[in-house]
Amino acid sequence: GAGVSQTPSNKVTEKGKYVELRCDPISGHTALYWYRQSLGQGPEFLIYFQGTGAADDSGLPNDRFFAVRPEGSVSTLKIQRTERGDSAVYLCASSPDGSYGYTFGSGTRLTVV
Amino acid sequence: GQQLNQSPQSMFIQEGEDVSMNCTSSSIFNTWLWYKQDPGEGPVLLIALYKAGELTSNGRLTAQFGITRKDSFLNISASIPSDVGIYFCAGQLGGSQGNLIFGKGTKLSVKP
Repeated sequence: GAGVSQTPSNKVTEKGKYVELRCDPISGHTALYWYRQSLGQGPEFLIYFQGTGAADDSGLPNDRFFAVRPEGSVSTLKIQRTERGDSAVYLCASSPDGSYGYTFGSGTRLTVV
Repeated sequence: GQQLNQSPQSMFIQEGEDVSMNCTSSSIFNTWLWYKQDPGEGPVLLIALYKAGELTSNGRLTAQFGITRKDSFLNISASIPSDVGIYFCAGQLGGSQGNLIFGKGTKLSVKP
């Protein structure tokens, strides 16, 4: 597609539930990134994929968070046993080759109640 | 963790004014980037800086990579109403190319 597409745009879930957030990068972009942005803060790095593999997952806060990119295109961020503190906007970005020409999506606003 | 100190936190602009904001860090960065974020959207890259001392312009925007590699500034000349939004600096330490550290943002609003 023309841009990075994230679905859903909004997600409300109950504490303790499992959620999946999807990112469709720009076609042909090999690098894909997930960031989390809390209210009033800048984005915070979570994980970076180069192709199918996670090149850097040092930003994942704990083992409740997991992300996959099985075919090197679409990525899914998975959060188990959600907590209220997980509420944030989850941003996905892609770039052609891992350079800083990131294109961000509009994000998924996750609210845990 | 690593932090970027971005200032000011917010500022009001009047059309035609020049605007300046900056970021400082206690760590040395290899790359500095400036983004703008509008409500409900993801950040959009404005300028990327790769070398200490580098001064780069993009239209009315000018940014510099500090010589110490611990700071950067962004200037906007002759501001217009569509400049309102939140501006973020971001830096990359050595190591992972994908891992950017963002400041907390400078919010530009129009003077009432």
